[in-house]
Amino acid sequence: EVQLVESGGGLVQPGGSLRLSCAASGFTFSSYWMSWVRQAPGKGLEWVANIKQDGSEKYYVDSVKGRFTISRDNAKNSLYLQMNSLRAEDTAVYYCARWTMIVVVITTYAFDIWGQGTMVTVSS
Amino acid sequence: DIQMTQSPSSLSASVGDRVTITCRASQSISSYLNWYQQKPGKAPKLLIYAASSLQSGVPSRFSGSGSGTDFTLTISSLQPEDFATYYCQQSYSTPPFFGPGTKVDIK
Repeated sequence: EVQLVESGGGLVQPGGSLRLSCAASGFTFSSYWMSWVRQAPGKGLEWVANIKQDGSEKYYVDSVKGRFTISRDNAKNSLYLQMNSLRAEDTAVYYCARWTMIVVVITTYAFDIWGQGTMVTVSS
Repeated sequence: DIQMTQSPSSLSASVGDRVTITCRASQSISSYLNWYQQKPGKAPKLLIYAASSLQSGVPSRFSGSGSGTDFTLTISSLQPEDFATYYCQQSYSTPPFFGPGTKVDIK
């Protein structure tokens, strides 16, 4: 079964740090771009970061640049998100998602597999 | 960055109704448009990719259309399990932003 399982969420004070993990199974992890997407309570979906198969390319939403770092360990089939200098506005459910290339008439990408999410609360 | 908008933000409908949700991109994105369904407390689920291609396992009552800047998601006959929030998302360029969502609830 194709699966993504996040862990590492919790309550952290403003300015603190947290490291999220995502364990992948059921597919060849090293063949896919991977992403983090978050959702603040009662709000919509916000893409946070992407990482290429070999980790050589990484992209971030402007609001987390310089504070968050996405990384992966293909030998462990794992994706990570190191979050530093956390702010109240980072409070959200963080989803790990597979960013899959799909070839039809065009070659496109979509988030086709999602984890169940892990809650991060930034509060004093 | 390409911004996405959706309309309406919410709608009320009855089982059996035909429902249409609109998504607009701030610039042309060809057919690089995906649709997701999210139920409360659950992760999103991919419904449609490349504007009109149905993801495996998704019922055929869901369909997508459009290209350029204007797109629609149609549910031909709303079922009880379709009450959820629907998001569009552009895959034309990074950042792959989502629309704000359309909540479909029971009339």
